Amino acid sequence: DAEITQSPRHKITETGRQVTLACHQTWNHNNMFWYRQDLGHGLRLIHYSYGVQDTNKGEVSDGYSVSRSNTEDLPLTLESAASSQTSVYFCASSRGTGGHEQYFGPGTRLTVT
Amino acid sequence: GQNIDQPTEMTATEGAIVQINCTYQTSGFNGLFWYQQHAGEAPTFLSYNVLDGLEEKGRFSSFLSRSKGYSYLLLKELQMKDSASYLCAVEDSNYQLIWGAGTKLIIKP
Repeated sequence: DAEITQSPRHKITETGRQVTLACHQTWNHNNMFWYRQDLGHGLRLIHYSYGVQDTNKGEVSDGYSVSRSNTEDLPLTLESAASSQTSVYFCASSRGTGGHEQYFGPGTRLTVT
Repeated sequence: GQNIDQPTEMTATEGAIVQINCTYQTSGFNGLFWYQQHAGEAPTFLSYNVLDGLEEKGRFSSFLSRSKGYSYLLLKELQMKDSASYLCAVEDSNYQLIWGAGTKLIIKP
C-alpha cells in the first residue's frame, strides 16, 4: 500500500543546531507540502513543491529550507534551530491541486531547547 | 487578510447530531475541505465541497454556501470514536490550503 512516512517521529535539539526532517511518499504524487501545527493555530504552510526541482515558500518559511531531487522525498531543514520552531511538523502530498485531497504523514514532534 | 473561523470546542452526546460551523474570508475560492484529526495523529480527509449545497457521505455531511462564505460539517449518530478535532480548510486562488484552527469535539456517553 502507498504511504507517506516521516522521520524521526520525535527530536530534541539545541538552539543553533541544524536539523533535517525527512519525508518520503510512495504515492508517486507530484505535490508535497510541509506544515507546522501549533496550539491555537491552524496548520501553517512552510514550503511546498509541485515537482522535482520545484520548491516554493509558504506563509512561514523563514529559517526553513527544502529541496526536491526526486518525486518521493522532500526533506525539511532548519538552518539554525530556534525555540520558536518547537512544534509538530507534518508532511503531506497530493496528486494535484483543485480539489485533490492531501495525504498526511504521521508528524514529527520537534523540541528546541 | 485570509481568515477561517471555527468554534474552538464543542461537546455532544453519544448518539446525537452535531453541526460544526466554518466561516471564511479568503483571496479567491477553489473549494473547501474538512479533515478529522485524532489527538496525536495526522489529519485525514473527510469531505470536499466546491459547489453550493449538501454532500452526504454516510454519517457525515458537509454543506457549502459560497455567497455567505460559510460551511458546516454535520455528524449524525455520534460515536465515541468521533471525539477528535475537525479542521476546515479553504483552497484559495493560488491553490494553497488556508486552515482553520480546528474544532475539538468531545463526545460524552
